[in-house]
Amino acid sequence: AQTVTQSQPEMSVQEAETVTLSCTYDTSESDYYLFWYKQPPSRQMILVIRQEAYKQQNATENRFSVNFQKAAKSFSLKISDSQLGDAAMYFCAYRSANTGNQFYFGTGTSLTVIP
Amino acid sequence: EAQVTQNPRYLITVTGKKLTVTCSQNMNHEYMSWYRQDPGLGLRQIYYSMNVEVTDKGDVPEGYKVSRKEKRNFPLILESPSPNQTSLYFCASSLSQTYQPQHFGDGTRLSIL
Repeated sequence: AQTVTQSQPEMSVQEAETVTLSCTYDTSESDYYLFWYKQPPSRQMILVIRQEAYKQQNATENRFSVNFQKAAKSFSLKISDSQLGDAAMYFCAYRSANTGNQFYFGTGTSLTVIP
Repeated sequence: EAQVTQNPRYLITVTGKKLTVTCSQNMNHEYMSWYRQDPGLGLRQIYYSMNVEVTDKGDVPEGYKVSRKEKRNFPLILESPSPNQTSLYFCASSLSQTYQPQHFGDGTRLSIL
């Protein structure tokens, strides 16, 4: 089974600053998809950004961008101009492109935004 | 409005009393899945279904059952709940294509005493 590792249980950032959340994964597959989900205190799971492994270009969604390093099996999330509403738990997730049957999630990073 | 609906949102019950958590989606998604979320462990997949009458085990299926008789519904059944099944549970759905992200329900907080 694939494993997804988030080595930072907690992170904090000053409002308006930039923060990077780390994610690494272990797989022998060459084709897969990676996701970042946000879980605010309301506990909803909200998709933040998605990356296809076959694409070299890093995905970007407004203030959110990723640094995808396929050889290193790394998929970090950068949040620019942090806002109070960014405070949440962030989960990294992996899905195989071949089978697509299972999603694998990391253990999460709790982000605090300091006013 | 496109959504995944779970019921109940909260439940406190006792060991051994059978319970069902319902999940319904209105997006005509083929793929549906159940997760449990525990502190420090993230989300772990319990069961998933690729389509009607097709279900398979995830990483932590012990103590759970599912069924997929209709495309929109995917109930999670705990035949004989135990305290170690106290957790936050999420149902999710997506289109079958593997690049599709999942849409999650709002979660069900289960406490087994």
